[in-house]
Amino acid sequence: AQTVTQSQPEMSVQEAETVTLSCTYDTSESDYYLFWYKQPPSRQMILVIRQEAYKQQNATENRFSVNFQKAAKSFSLKISDSQLGDAAMYFCAYRSVNTGTASKLTFGTGTRLQVTL
Amino acid sequence: DARVTQTPRHKVTEMGQEVTMRCQPILGHNTVFWYRQTMMQGLELLAYFRNRAPLDDSGMPKDRFSAEMPDATLATLKIQPSEPRDSAVYFCASGLQNYNSPLHFGNGTRLTVT
Repeated sequence: AQTVTQSQPEMSVQEAETVTLSCTYDTSESDYYLFWYKQPPSRQMILVIRQEAYKQQNATENRFSVNFQKAAKSFSLKISDSQLGDAAMYFCAYRSVNTGTASKLTFGTGTRLQVTL
Repeated sequence: DARVTQTPRHKVTEMGQEVTMRCQPILGHNTVFWYRQTMMQGLELLAYFRNRAPLDDSGMPKDRFSAEMPDATLATLKIQPSEPRDSAVYFCASGLQNYNSPLHFGNGTRLTVT
């Protein structure tokens, strides 16, 4: 079974600075998808960014980018020019392409990001 | 902007009562997932459906929980009888079968069982 580990329960960043959230995962599969979701206090789960394992190029979405290291099974999220609205829980998630597990998402335990002035 | 709709948003009930949570997936999505979020366990998968057929409900306590999709526009999660340990936020999510397709989450139902 796949597992996702987020070793940083809480992080803090100053507005306009850059922060990196860590995520590692364990799998024996060669192809899969990785996601970062954001959960603000409203508790809505919002997709931030996605990465397919067979693509070497790191995904980027505006101020959000990932550092995907397949051999190390690492998938970190970098937030540049942090804004107050970035304050939230961030969840890393793994999605298998194995039809036997039928595309469920496995989540990490989350990192709470605080953004300070 | 298409959304997953969950009702009710909040539910407070007494132990032993039946609880029904409803979810309207995004039109055209053929996979539906139920997740439970607690402080201690994080996000746990309870059950999921593809084309309305249940694929896996191994994460669900079978003796008291049941999940169904009576039609493509409605998914339900029932707890009978409810217990205080069931207090959590329950999320419904829908998506397409394509693996790169993200899941879209509803706003969740916060359940409190006293």
